[in-house]
Amino acid sequence: RKEVEQDPGPFNVPEGATVAFNCTYSNSASQSFFWYRQDCRKEPKLLMSVYSSGNEDGRFTAQLNRASQYISLLIRDSKLSDSATYLCVVTLPDKDSNYQLIWGAGTKLIIKP
Amino acid sequence: NAGVTQTPKFRILKIGQSMTLQCTQDMNHNYMYWYRQDPGMGLKLIYYSVGAGITDKGEVPNGYNVSRSTTEDFPLRLELAAPSQTSVYFCASSYSTGLAGGYNEQFFGPGTRLTVL
Repeated sequence: RKEVEQDPGPFNVPEGATVAFNCTYSNSASQSFFWYRQDCRKEPKLLMSVYSSGNEDGRFTAQLNRASQYISLLIRDSKLSDSATYLCVVTLPDKDSNYQLIWGAGTKLIIKP
Repeated sequence: NAGVTQTPKFRILKIGQSMTLQCTQDMNHNYMYWYRQDPGMGLKLIYYSVGAGITDKGEVPNGYNVSRSTTEDFPLRLELAAPSQTSVYFCASSYSTGLAGGYNEQFFGPGTRLTVL
């Protein structure tokens, strides 16, 4: 089983719709969680952190479910510019009290006019 | 600030050739990283550095070498290129205390697309 799994998509969604996708992680010791956005043939950029209490940033809402070991990203009123691949990132502490990042392969989202 | 810059943007190598991928950051970040991203796969950490003079292996270090002589520069060396090293290579940097749970955003360069034929 992969440490971090995402549905690769693509999710084809009409403009203005709401879309949500999940990311599951296998290690219960995972500490921190993030969503990065990667545009086609570009570098990843941090979209938002995912806190235990959930967090919202404009049209984007991220949730963490530790019991079921997944995080989610919900996008409301989707825009054409939201088309991208969304990468899930999970941190795990290592023996030296540093952390390692585990990256999901990403979910591709296509917003259609 | 330019952020993280990488050169070259594209490169085609023949099997057995060597090359150095350059990475420079101007944010005075302690941590720097090299990742590779294969189609449909997550980012895989090749090497990382927590400061000048200190480097460590990541998940997939075989076939690569790094050095960190300054805070700003973190070049990645490919020796004896192989087709399996065809990938997109991203350099990233972050400011981090290194404490468990202490994560700071990673800033990425634009990537180098490498093809080995």
